[in-house]
Amino acid sequence: AQSVTQPDIHITVSEGASLELRCNYSYGATPYLFWYVQSPGQGLQLLLKYFSGDTLVQGIKGFEAEFKRSQSSFNLRKPSVHWSDAAEYFCAVVLNQAGTALIFGKGTTLSVSS
Amino acid sequence: ETGVTQSPTHLIKTRGQQVTLRCSSQSGHNTVSWYQQALGQGPQFIFQYYREEENGRGNFPPRFSGLQFPNYSSELNVNALELDDSALYLCASSLNTLNTEAFFGQGTRLTVV
Repeated sequence: AQSVTQPDIHITVSEGASLELRCNYSYGATPYLFWYVQSPGQGLQLLLKYFSGDTLVQGIKGFEAEFKRSQSSFNLRKPSVHWSDAAEYFCAVVLNQAGTALIFGKGTTLSVSS
Repeated sequence: ETGVTQSPTHLIKTRGQQVTLRCSSQSGHNTVSWYQQALGQGPQFIFQYYREEENGRGNFPPRFSGLQFPNYSSELNVNALELDDSALYLCASSLNTLNTEAFFGQGTRLTVV
């Protein structure tokens, strides 16, 4: 079945350590790819997106993501995590052949320890 | 601050009642999408409106309906509320139907008792 998978439900990282959140998709063609962040009780904020071209994309708040076609992955990274990064992170896709819906993964909760 | 505002922020309804949620889209955006986010889950697409017409619908029953107005604001109506309708309802506005840059509101937390 077509899906977006975030294998890690919950990750804890020490402040200052690096972070990688995983995302895999299972669609025949490369969709548009997104990462969103959601703080408790808040809406979603777009961190970055990939449509085509350079497979390493830079986003806001020091985040980056790398698209790997061979692995159908779009992993989110940050070299040094801050306590304020604690939140829920969602990977999402739009099937660009028949847009309209953002299809989200189930999310990864990031906790930051001091 | 995205410029997308939703009202109310919270409400409690009784099973079987009807509810209307409202969304004001960001200035210049003609596309509004609605999502349901159950606790601990990712948002699920309900439907999208583009220039006052429904432009795509997710796997939700007909008791979920919507409207978009000439100023591109939108309403989500849910009839015959069920306990499982309890969720955070998110509205997203965008410049196009592909959601290449969608801006989300803070959501409406609906509790059905």
